[in-house]
Amino acid sequence: DAGVTQSPTHLIKTRGQQVTLRCSPKSGHDTVSWYQQALGQGPQFIFQYYEEEERQRGNFPDRFSGHQFPNYSSELNVNALLLGDSALYLCASSTSGGNQETQYFGPGTRLLVL
Amino acid sequence: GQQVMQIPQYQHVQEGEDFTTYCNSSTTLSNIQWYKQRPGGHPVFLIQLVKSGEVKKQKRLTFQFGEAKKNSSLHITATQTTDVGTYFCAGNYSGGGADGLTFGKGTHLIIQP
Repeated sequence: DAGVTQSPTHLIKTRGQQVTLRCSPKSGHDTVSWYQQALGQGPQFIFQYYEEEERQRGNFPDRFSGHQFPNYSSELNVNALLLGDSALYLCASSTSGGNQETQYFGPGTRLLVL
Repeated sequence: GQQVMQIPQYQHVQEGEDFTTYCNSSTTLSNIQWYKQRPGGHPVFLIQLVKSGEVKKQKRLTFQFGEAKKNSSLHITATQTTDVGTYFCAGNYSGGGADGLTFGKGTHLIIQP
């Protein structure tokens, strides 16, 4: 039973570029949430996808967008990268059972913007 | 906005000593979850507390949820070197479903042998 997987593991971009990060949820999970974790900080909620739609969004600008595919995998896109976007990007999957289910985190993608 | 404050930011202990980290929310939580993150790793789920006044134990770890569902604590008895890492609390303010979590800044546990 595969857990949450993310790709790539590391990425280096320059300011102004665009990046796409990918996530495959744990088997049986249909909900994907994305978090940004800056160095030394706790993860910050970006948004959540369920049934291929953005269900909830944190306090992030429109440069951050996402997508969920019919197989429940998800992408996070960041446009016009800024130096401050350098962080660990975490994907977490869960079920939509409505019973306050646990979120399982993937290993993350470390993004460095130069 | 909703915030979860966590203290202390860093905690140095001698191996064998106890450790406690505290979380506080300005508004009532639906539930609170605790995660551990090892250096270079990702958050790993430890436990979820849902009920007012709930206390749960996992071996040397004791988790508490306050009566008002605004605060929580994690206590580790007789720390071991394997306990090293950052402990995060994460609050859920919604009524149901695995919605976005609001994380504290974490407590970095450093153990001196």
